[in-house]
Amino acid sequence: GENVEQHPSTLSVQEGDSAVIKCTYSDSASNYFPWYKQELGKRPQLIIDIRSNVGEKKDQRIAVTLNKTAKHFSLHITETQPEDSAVYFCAASSSGSNYQLIWGAGTKLIIKP
Amino acid sequence: EPEVTQTPSHQVTQMGQEVILRCVPISNHLYFYWYRQILGQKVEFLVSFYNNEISEKSEIFDDQFSVERPDGSNFTLKIRSTKLEDSAMYFCASETGGAYNEQFFGPGTRLTVL
Repeated sequence: GENVEQHPSTLSVQEGDSAVIKCTYSDSASNYFPWYKQELGKRPQLIIDIRSNVGEKKDQRIAVTLNKTAKHFSLHITETQPEDSAVYFCAASSSGSNYQLIWGAGTKLIIKP
Repeated sequence: EPEVTQTPSHQVTQMGQEVILRCVPISNHLYFYWYRQILGQKVEFLVSFYNNEISEKSEIFDDQFSVERPDGSNFTLKIRSTKLEDSAMYFCASETGGAYNEQFFGPGTRLTVL
């Protein structure tokens, strides 16, 4: 089955700097890769996603890149702000698995003022 | 904006007792999911449900677990005989169906087994 690895587990960056979180996956059939943000005690919320027919997607300060050959995808947050502090999860799914999301272990992003 | 809702927000139970966690998915959604998150750990898939039957389930979802959509709106997760290690946050999610649509998560039910 699918396995998703996520690094780093904790990331501390200065406000205004960029943050990059990386994930790798094992199942070459996976073709949908969402990123969720989870604030303390809250539900996960989708912030961006990418499908396998696309190499990069951007939404304001957030971007995701996908390398299908290497089976890895990354989240990039530019001009970080204090409200970006949260735990970020990557996930992967495929039609063959009825779209169940297999999650990475999460990255705790800390934005230092 | 419609949201997935879950009740109760917190459930405390004794080991060996049965619990039912309730979810109301977004009304036009067709696929439903349960996930769990042990404190400080990653979210883990439990089960997916479509067309009134289980589509997929994980190794965690053993015979102690069952799901039901009893009345066309509620989607329930039952744990027959709870264990200490079932203590976790349980999230329900739903999506419209088709290819790669966003799964919308409920606020979660925190289950504490004593």
